Amino acid sequence: NAGVTQTPKFQVLKTGQSMTLQCAQDMNHNSMYWYRQDPGMGLRLIYYSASEGTTDKGEVPNGYNVSRLNKREFSLRLESAAPSQTSVYFCASSEGAGLTTQYFGPGTRLLVL
Amino acid sequence: AQSVTQPDIHITVSEGASLELRCNYSYGATPYLFWYVQSPGQGLQLLLKYFSGDTLVQGIKGFEAEFKRSQSSFNLRKPSVHWSDAAEYFCAVLVVRGGADGLTFGKGTHLIIQP
Repeated sequence: NAGVTQTPKFQVLKTGQSMTLQCAQDMNHNSMYWYRQDPGMGLRLIYYSASEGTTDKGEVPNGYNVSRLNKREFSLRLESAAPSQTSVYFCASSEGAGLTTQYFGPGTRLLVL
Repeated sequence: AQSVTQPDIHITVSEGASLELRCNYSYGATPYLFWYVQSPGQGLQLLLKYFSGDTLVQGIKGFEAEFKRSQSSFNLRKPSVHWSDAAEYFCAVLVVRGGADGLTFGKGTHLIIQP
């Protein structure tokens, strides 16, 4: 039982390049989330998916797109990376809406030059 | 709008001493509160959570937190810290968005343990 896994662990991009961050969970959770963590800012919600087939914007969605591929997988895409997107990205999952705990993956460190 | 404030960016505590990390929240509805810990280069691990009931909640690794509605606070405590407790600590409030519930985090408190 791996929990929440993320790939890659680290990535360097040039401005304007695109990439997709992958996230998968094996806990049969319905809801999944993408956060970004910047120094001195805590974590901020980018997008979330309440259940398979649904996605919605969080606090900082600009410059990102997401896909809930199936119940297990939730990807985050940067179409044209910018230096402001240099950050650590965390994926999380929870059983569903309501009073449930979110479990986090190990993170992806992204550097945009 | 909801928010979480952790007033202390850094805290230094001697090994074996007691610890209290402060957290204040602003949220219009009943707050559901969490403390997470992040060790260097790692993801976030849940320490404890408060949903309802007893306002003093126990967590893992000997941590506890007390919910005080009158003070809008959810402070984290430990009676005796260990060197392995050195990490970043985040307080968060669960925000109901209608369908999925995202967490709003504080900016974190960096805990340093002195030998």
